[in-house]
Amino acid sequence: GDSVTQTEGPVTVSESESLIINCTYSATSIAYPNLFWYVRYPGEGLQLLLKVITAGQKGSSRGFEATYNKETTSFHLQKASVQESDSAVYYCALRNNYAQGLTFGLGTRVSVFP
Amino acid sequence: DAGVTQTPRHEVAEKGQTIILKCEPVSGHNDLFWYRQTKIQGLELLSYFRSKSLMEDGGAFKDRFKAEMLNSSFSTLKIQPTEPKDSAVYLCASSLDEQYFGPGTRLTVL
Repeated sequence: GDSVTQTEGPVTVSESESLIINCTYSATSIAYPNLFWYVRYPGEGLQLLLKVITAGQKGSSRGFEATYNKETTSFHLQKASVQESDSAVYYCALRNNYAQGLTFGLGTRVSVFP
Repeated sequence: DAGVTQTPRHEVAEKGQTIILKCEPVSGHNDLFWYRQTKIQGLELLSYFRSKSLMEDGGAFKDRFKAEMLNSSFSTLKIQPTEPKDSAVYLCASSLDEQYFGPGTRLTVL
C-alpha cells in the first residue's frame, strides 16, 4: 500500500532559525500522487498548509515551501526563519486521486523557542 | 461558514459497549471521510463516502466499525462492541477538493 515517512519528532528550533521536515512517499497505484502538508496548531484542528498536485512544482504558504520531487519521491517542508507561532504538529500526506482518502505520515512535532 | 462539526468531543466507554460518533460535514461538500488517529499508527482511513454512497470501507476496520451517511449533512460511526484498543481520536473530514477536518472525538475505552 501507499506510505509516507517523515522526520521523527520532536524537533526543537530557536526563533529565526531555519526548519526542514523531511518527507518521502511511496505510492503503489499511481506514479504521481497529489502531495500535501497539514498542520495542527495547539488547541486547533488539522488544517491544510499547502498542496502540490504536479510533479516538479513548488507549493508555498505562511512562509513555508515544499517542492514535489518525483525523482527522489520527496516533499520536504522548509522555512527559512521560524517564529514561535509555527510551533505545531506537521503532517505530510498523499492522495492517489481526488476521490480517495489521504495517507498520512506520523507527524512531526515542532517547538520553536524565543 | 460552519466547519466540520463532531460530537461528542470526548467519550468514555466500557469494554463491550456500543458507541456512536457523529459528524456534520461542511454544507455542499460531496465527500466525507472518517479517520482514526493513534500515536502508533497515526491517521488511518476508516471510511469514505461520495454523495452518501460508501466508496471505501477500510478492510481492517470492517469487523466492528460501521459508518453510515443517512443524508448529505450527517454521518455516524458506530463501534460495536468497543475494545480498549479502540481508544483513539476519531476525525471526520469533508471535501469538494481539499479535505477539511473536524476537531475530532477522543474515545477512551476502559
